[in-house]
Amino acid sequence: EAGVVQSPRYKIIEKKQPVAFWCNPISGHNTLYWYLQNLGQGPELLIRYENEEAVDDSQLPKDRFSAERLKGVDSTLKIQPAELGDSAVYLCASSLGDLGRGETQYFGPGTRLLVL
Amino acid sequence: KNEVEQSPQNLTAQEGEFITINCSYSVGISALHWLQQHPGGGIVSLFMLSSGKKKHGRLIATINIQEKHSSLHITASHPRDSAVYICAVTPSGTYKYIFGTGTRLKVLA
Repeated sequence: EAGVVQSPRYKIIEKKQPVAFWCNPISGHNTLYWYLQNLGQGPELLIRYENEEAVDDSQLPKDRFSAERLKGVDSTLKIQPAELGDSAVYLCASSLGDLGRGETQYFGPGTRLLVL
Repeated sequence: KNEVEQSPQNLTAQEGEFITINCSYSVGISALHWLQQHPGGGIVSLFMLSSGKKKHGRLIATINIQEKHSSLHITASHPRDSAVYICAVTPSGTYKYIFGTGTRLKVLA
C-alpha cells in the first residue's frame, strides 16, 4: 500500500514569492493534517481536515497561508507571500478517522522549504 | 513548560549498547506514540501505547499511566538506529498529537 505522498520534496524560493505544496493521503484515510516542523523542534499542527472540511485551522496564519482539500482526497497548502521565517519542513499526515482515540497518523516525507 | 518532555535531548552510544529514551507528559491521554525520524526523512510511527508494554524487534516501549511516563528502549543498538525519536501524546477525547522536541540518537560503529 502506498504511503502518504508529498511533492515537491524540496523547494527554494525568494521571499515574497508564492509557493504551494501537495499531499496525497493514504487511500481511505478521511483525516488529513498539515504540520510545520522547524529545525530541532517537534511538528506543529497547521490545519486538520475531516474529508473536505477544515475542522481545525486555528493555528494556520490565515493572512498568508491557505489550504484546500477538494473532493476530500488530495490537499494543497499555499503560502503567499512567503517570508524568511517560513523556511521549515511541511509535513502532511493522514489517519483513518477522527475518533478521539489516539489513532495512528501516517506521515509523508515532507517538503523542505527554504526562503531566501 | 512543555506538556511533553523528553530526555535526553541528545544521546551518543556505541554499537551494541542498550539505550533508553524517556518521555514525561502532564495531561490525561488516550494514547502515547513513539515516532522515528531519519535526517531528511519523514516520520515513521513505531508504537502506539495506552497501557503496559509493546515490543517490536529490538524496540521496546513501556508506559506508566499513573506516573505519566513512557520509555523507549533499544536493545543491541546499531548505527542504523541513528535518528530522532519523538514522543507524542493524544490528550483524552481529542484527535491531536502533542509532540515532544525529540531525542537525537547517534549510534557509533
